[in-house]
Amino acid sequence: GENVEQHPSTLSVQEGDSAVIKCTYSDSASNYFPWYKQELGKRPQLIIDIRSNVGEKKDQRIAVTLNKTAKHFSLHITETQPEDSAVYFCAASINGNQFYFGTGTSLTVIP
Amino acid sequence: GAVVSQHPSRVICKSGTSVKIECRSLDFQATTMFWYRQFPKQSLMLMATSNEGSKATYEQGVEKDKFLINHASLTLSTLTVTSAHPEDSSFYICSADGGKSEAFFGQGTRLTVV
Repeated sequence: GENVEQHPSTLSVQEGDSAVIKCTYSDSASNYFPWYKQELGKRPQLIIDIRSNVGEKKDQRIAVTLNKTAKHFSLHITETQPEDSAVYFCAASINGNQFYFGTGTSLTVIP
Repeated sequence: GAVVSQHPSRVICKSGTSVKIECRSLDFQATTMFWYRQFPKQSLMLMATSNEGSKATYEQGVEKDKFLINHASLTLSTLTVTSAHPEDSSFYICSADGGKSEAFFGQGTRLTVV
């Protein structure tokens, strides 16, 4: 099955700085890569996603890049704010069926 | 977006008893739902794929006789943790395919077995 690795496991940045989280996947058939934000005790919320026919996608302060050849994708958050503090998960999926999640990154934005 | 409701949000049960968790798609039909388990400060681990009208597909290492899944209708899947033990205490989350490959998650169930 698919194996998704995520780094770093924890990340602390100063408010206003950028944060980058990286993931790799193993199954070349995976073609959908969402990113989720999860606050303590709550459900994961989709923040951005990218499909394998696209190399980069941006939504305001959040961007995701995908390198199919290398099988890795990254989340970029610019101008970080304290409310960005949460756990972020990447995931890989084939056609939106089973999602295999990365191990998560706990992001702390220091005011 | 599509709404997935999970019930109960919290449950405490005695060791040896069984607990049923419901996952409902409120405004769409879901032929497939997914069940995840999340330990504190860890990732979501896919447990099984719930298929409407047929048997669930379990991930390797997940005991199908312990985690019973029933998907009797297009809007409801249930997960029953049978003969629960303290090590089964965890956060269980379901998701349903809302179309366009996006997964919509329930709010999760915090199970504590005492």
